[in-house]
Amino acid sequence: SQTIHQWPATLVQPVGSPLSLECTVEGTSNPNLYWYRQAAGRGLQLLFYSVGIGQISSEVPQNLSASRPQDRQFILSSKKLLLSDSGFYLCAWVQLGAGANVLTFGAGSRLTVL
Amino acid sequence: DQQVKQNSPSLSVQEGRISILNCDYTNSMFDYFLWYKKYPAEGPTFLISISSIKDKNEDGRFTVFLNKSAKHLSLHIVPSQPGDSAVYFCAASADSGNTPLVFGKGTRLSVIA
Repeated sequence: SQTIHQWPATLVQPVGSPLSLECTVEGTSNPNLYWYRQAAGRGLQLLFYSVGIGQISSEVPQNLSASRPQDRQFILSSKKLLLSDSGFYLCAWVQLGAGANVLTFGAGSRLTVL
Repeated sequence: DQQVKQNSPSLSVQEGRISILNCDYTNSMFDYFLWYKKYPAEGPTFLISISSIKDKNEDGRFTVFLNKSAKHLSLHIVPSQPGDSAVYFCAASADSGNTPLVFGKGTRLSVIA
């Protein structure tokens, strides 16, 4: 069965520090991968998505970046965090063409920037 | 510009009654719609979906209605249970679901025993 893992679950970082959130998917190949952020009063905002290794589409310009070094690995990074980067980050995957295109989310990573 | 709107941030319903959560969209290219449920500190979980070729889809206590002419969909939960208390997100996609989902801001449902 397919599973999705995100870590760390909770992170407290000072302003200006770097960030790395990791997401891996098991039990599937060549999934589409996504990073969403839930910020207070903002709902679920799509940040990045990837349809394959090394292919990244950015939806919102900001100081975050994403990389997909392997088929089932998706990494969200920042060189210097801002206060506004605080939020709940969610990784998700979907297997297109396998029936209903339903996004499956990970458990999320709570980032607090102080 | 918000393409998917959930205008009610919160809703309170008594246990056993019907909960109706509403969602409006502006992009006429959207043809696939989903509802997700989210508990605090967890990822959203898929609840129910509907494609634009239908106007209703039912799964147990959950029914989604789609009114394409009004660009409106709603989620009905009958009967509501305390365990249904969560934030509900409406989401939409174009190209039969092959484009990334666009989410609304969510509605917090509280079911009171």
